[in-house]
Amino acid sequence: GNSVTQMEGPVTLSEEAFLTINCTYTATGYPSLFWYVQYPGEGLQLLLKATKADDKGSNKGFEATYRKETTSFHLEKGSVQVSDSAVYFCALSEKSGAGSYQLTFGKGTKLSVIP
Amino acid sequence: NAGVTQTPKFQVLKTGQSMTLQCAQDMNHNSMYWYRQDPGMGLRLIYYSASEGTTDKGEVPNGYNVSRLNKREFSLRLESAAPSQTSVYFCASSEKGGGVYEQYFGPGTRLTVT
Repeated sequence: GNSVTQMEGPVTLSEEAFLTINCTYTATGYPSLFWYVQYPGEGLQLLLKATKADDKGSNKGFEATYRKETTSFHLEKGSVQVSDSAVYFCALSEKSGAGSYQLTFGKGTKLSVIP
Repeated sequence: NAGVTQTPKFQVLKTGQSMTLQCAQDMNHNSMYWYRQDPGMGLRLIYYSASEGTTDKGEVPNGYNVSRLNKREFSLRLESAAPSQTSVYFCASSEKGGGVYEQYFGPGTRLTVT
């Protein structure tokens, strides 16, 4: 079956540091890939997405490139802020037999940014 | 638009009690989902509904039942709660946008079973 593996946290960075959160996936077909973010006490929000190989998703200074050859979708940001402190989930989407699209999530990486 | 709403926000149950978690969306989405989130486990799919009138099991359906009441509402029922069902429960909905089925999540219900 499909699976997503992302680097274990927690990750603690100083403000303005460079962020990388690694994500690799296993899928039988050609999934879409996502990064979701969860702020404390809230639900998940879509951060960015990519639908095919070599696509780059970007939002709020975060970027990730769909690399089919390495089955990866690493999340990067050049300069993190305290407000980026959250849990980040990598996910892939595939069509289920019933016609809906199911998400398979990684276990999440907690990021703490200190001033 | 309120997006996806869930009630209640918090609940404490005793082992063996039953309850229903409510979820509603106002985005006219066809598909709806229930997940549970446990520390170090990410999100795991309990049940989903591809469209009104259909429901299917996800990865961890045991101990739960669902009802797709109409296009807007999708409820999750625990018939006899167990401590292993202590978790945070998220409802989500989706529709194809830009060629991709993005899922939109509610704020969650934090359930404790003692």
